[in-house]
Amino acid sequence: DAGITQSPRHKVTETGTPVTLRCHQTENHRYMYWYRQDPGHGLRLIHYSYGVKDTDKGEVSDGYSVSRSKTEDFLLTLESATSSQTSVYFCAIGTIFYEQYFGPGTRLTVT
Amino acid sequence: DQQVKQNSPSLSVQEGRISILNCDYTNSMFDYFLWYKKYPAEGPTFLISISSIKDKNEDGRFTVFLNKSAKHLSLHIVPSQPGDSAVYFCAASDNGSSNTGKLIFGQGTTLQVKP
Repeated sequence: DAGITQSPRHKVTETGTPVTLRCHQTENHRYMYWYRQDPGHGLRLIHYSYGVKDTDKGEVSDGYSVSRSKTEDFLLTLESATSSQTSVYFCAIGTIFYEQYFGPGTRLTVT
Repeated sequence: DQQVKQNSPSLSVQEGRISILNCDYTNSMFDYFLWYKKYPAEGPTFLISISSIKDKNEDGRFTVFLNKSAKHLSLHIVPSQPGDSAVYFCAASDNGSSNTGKLIFGQGTTLQVKP
C-alpha cells in the first residue's frame, strides 16, 4: 500500500468554524489531490497540487483552500464550514503516469 | 456536465457468474481510463486501466474493454466472487493535453455478489 495517511479520520464541527484536514505521504510523489465523495456524485476533485507551493482548483473548489509547503504534506482548509460540506474527504497521490493512490479518508460532519 | 457516467447505480450477480460494469464518457480527449474498487470505510484502490490506443486489457479475472467510437468502456469480472462486492468507479484522464494527472470519476456502481 502507498504510504498515505489522513488526519483526523473523523470530525464533527459546527457551522461557521474553520476546519483543516491533513494528508501526509511518504512516497515523495509530486502530485497530490483532494476529493470529496458524496452519494450520486462519485469522487469530485476539490484542489490538486503539482509541486511544493503549486496548487490549482478542481471542479468543486468553492469554500475550500489548500496549501503545500512540503512535498509530503497537503492541507485542505474549510474557511467557514457549512452543512453542504458534510462529506467524506479523500486525499490521493500520483505520478504523471495516471494511477492515483488514495488515503483512508476523513469523514466530516458539519452540524 | 458529467463527463464520465455510470448509469447503473447497482448490480447484483450470483457467485461464479460474470459481472459487467459499464461506463460512458463524453470527452473525446480522454486518453486513459481506469477502474477503482472501494470497500466501505476505506479509500478507493486501483484495479485496472487501459490506454486509448488499446481496446482490451486483461488482468486475471478482470478485463476492461474500450469502445472509442461509442465512448464506452466496461469492466468484466469472471468469475465473480463474494469478495468482489464493493463500489466500482470508472475514471478518465486527458493527461496528454493537460499534463496534470487529473482524473474525472463516474458516480460509481455498487456490485453485490451473492453466494
